[in-house]
Amino acid sequence: DAKTTQPPSMDCAEGRAANLPCNHSTISGNEYVYWYRQIHSQGPQYIIHGLKNNETNEMASLIITEDRKSSTLILPHATLRDTAVYYCIVRVGAGAGNMLTFGGGTRLMVKP
Amino acid sequence: GAVVSQHPSWVICKSGTSVKIECRSLDFQATTMFWYRQFPKQSLMLMATSNEGSKATYEQGVEKDKFLINHASLTLSTLTVTSAHPEDSSFYICSARGWDRAGEKLFFGSGTQLSVL
Repeated sequence: DAKTTQPPSMDCAEGRAANLPCNHSTISGNEYVYWYRQIHSQGPQYIIHGLKNNETNEMASLIITEDRKSSTLILPHATLRDTAVYYCIVRVGAGAGNMLTFGGGTRLMVKP
Repeated sequence: GAVVSQHPSWVICKSGTSVKIECRSLDFQATTMFWYRQFPKQSLMLMATSNEGSKATYEQGVEKDKFLINHASLTLSTLTVTSAHPEDSSFYICSARGWDRAGEKLFFGSGTQLSVL
């Protein structure tokens, strides 16, 4: 699976959009980009995933660059409850039900 | 979406004792479950893959005799930390392959904080 690079930490004001970047310059054509988050002392929670098209669901939007070497997770209106560590993971296959390799993630702090 | 229940959420034990952690898929059958370990301020590390009805597959560096995994049914996998020592103190998380309306996903339990005195 391709390696990902994320900033270790970010701050965001409550109510503003949180844009979390992820670099995956070695991604191959059959690898998907997944985002999970982990709130303190809890198990990770699935957010969204995509291959090459931008994706949106009730939690977030995922923007993948045309060359697929980077992506951005967007939380449109961050709340205090969005404070968590966000993990960007790339792996082969559309099935998200396989084991995942977690990197360092980005610790997002949403401030009042 | 699918729910994975992990129990207990925290446990304190004496050095040398064994501790069992349960992971249950509540509303779906899980032929495969995964066990992770997480130390403070670090990321999750995969320990082993648990397959129903067969032996677990352990990651390199994880002692199979130390961390016993049993996946005897389609809804239950257990991790037993045998002869626990303080260095085994960690946050243990299980996950299971399941489905929701958006497709196949990996669902995680809420984790177990183990403290060995």
